[in-house]
Amino acid sequence: EDQVTQSPEALRLQEGESSSLNCSYTVSGLRGLFWYRQDPGKGPEFLFTLYSAGEEKEKERLKATLTKKESFLHITAPKPEDSATYLCAVLSHQGGSEKLVFGKGTKLTVNP
Amino acid sequence: DSGVTQTPKHLITATGQRVTLRCSPRSGDLSVYWYQQSLDQGLQFLIQYYNGEERAKGNILERFSAQQFPDLHSELNLSSLELGDSALYFCASSVESGPYGYTFGSGTRLTVV
Repeated sequence: EDQVTQSPEALRLQEGESSSLNCSYTVSGLRGLFWYRQDPGKGPEFLFTLYSAGEEKEKERLKATLTKKESFLHITAPKPEDSATYLCAVLSHQGGSEKLVFGKGTKLTVNP
Repeated sequence: DSGVTQTPKHLITATGQRVTLRCSPRSGDLSVYWYQQSLDQGLQFLIQYYNGEERAKGNILERFSAQQFPDLHSELNLSSLELGDSALYFCASSVESGPYGYTFGSGTRLTVV
């Protein structure tokens, strides 16, 4: 069964303190790895899709990278408004259908 | 506003009751997905519809059912509700099945008392 494991579960940073979030996955035939941001009480907001090992994507202070077994979300000089839960998901193909399988997320808190 | 509309935003109901959650996908999207999010389980895939037909099924209970109508809006029906069904229910849509990012709605918070 396809699985996604995110670490750490929670991360506290000071404003400006860079760090990385990890997403390790097991999937039979990766068709896409997705990063989402979720604010409390709201729906996940799409950030990035990565399709193959070695691929990188950037958006403002966020940079996502992908290897054959894991993905990292690097946060450079974070600000308090970057506080959110970051979700990783893989596109799982099973039984002739596809669906996004999510990890449980990393809750990021950035203190001013 | 993501373009995916879910109603109602909040729902409080008693055990044993039945409720219907509604989702209007983003304009042009043919696929609708339903997810359940609870504190300890994270986002769990329930079911997918594509252009009116069921395409994939996840961990959806027999007490739950869904459908997608000709105008592409979807409804998730939850019956014989139990306390453990309390959760956030999200609808997402995409242009079609495949490696495309889903757009999520803001969710319906269901509380069963």
